[in-house]
Amino acid sequence: DVKVTQSSRYLVKRTGEKVFLECVQDMDHENMFWYRQDPGLGLRLIYFSYDVKMKEKGDIPEGYSVSREKKERFSLILESASTNQTSMYLCASSHTFVAEAFFGQGTRLTVV
Amino acid sequence: GESVGLHLPTLSVQEGDNSIINCAYSNSASDYFIWYKQESGKGPQFIIDIRSNMDKRQGQRVTVLLNKTVKHLSLQIAATQPGDSAVYFCAETPPDYKLSFGAGTTVTVRA
Repeated sequence: DVKVTQSSRYLVKRTGEKVFLECVQDMDHENMFWYRQDPGLGLRLIYFSYDVKMKEKGDIPEGYSVSREKKERFSLILESASTNQTSMYLCASSHTFVAEAFFGQGTRLTVV
Repeated sequence: GESVGLHLPTLSVQEGDNSIINCAYSNSASDYFIWYKQESGKGPQFIIDIRSNMDKRQGQRVTVLLNKTVKHLSLQIAATQPGDSAVYFCAETPPDYKLSFGAGTTVTVRA
């Protein structure tokens, strides 16, 4: 059974904190993605990676960075959390860019 | 930037009827399209996909239609069931590989 696991379902952080969201996949997929989901806006791509140590900016990378030191793990970093980063964060992975992406269950982050 | 969009944010369907969910995409060079279903509290789940060299693909109770001339994608669900109530997203993979999603359509099935 394929699996994408996000480390937390819910997180509450303070403004200015450095926040790490972790994602692990067990399918040996090449590609991994980070999205944020907000009501009425759908899923917006923050960053993606197609290989270890490789990263590409998505549509809304400002205020975020990522790390992919191992193939199975893709981390999203909020260098200094702000209240406008309160959102649902979704991680996904895919074998190729023309194959379905599998999603984790999401992390609901609240920045206070 | 370009984005994939859905025509209607909500759709109410009588149980047993067929549902049609529409999507307009903007990148004519996109090669791959996917429909996802998201239930409350869960991540999106794959329903069906289609490559740009096809215009129709059928799955179990679902059919995806692709009209490249007008850049339109649709998802048809046959004999809609209560378990089909969810948010449906279309997604496209353009040449820059940024898998892009629309805003979603919330489908509510009436008993």
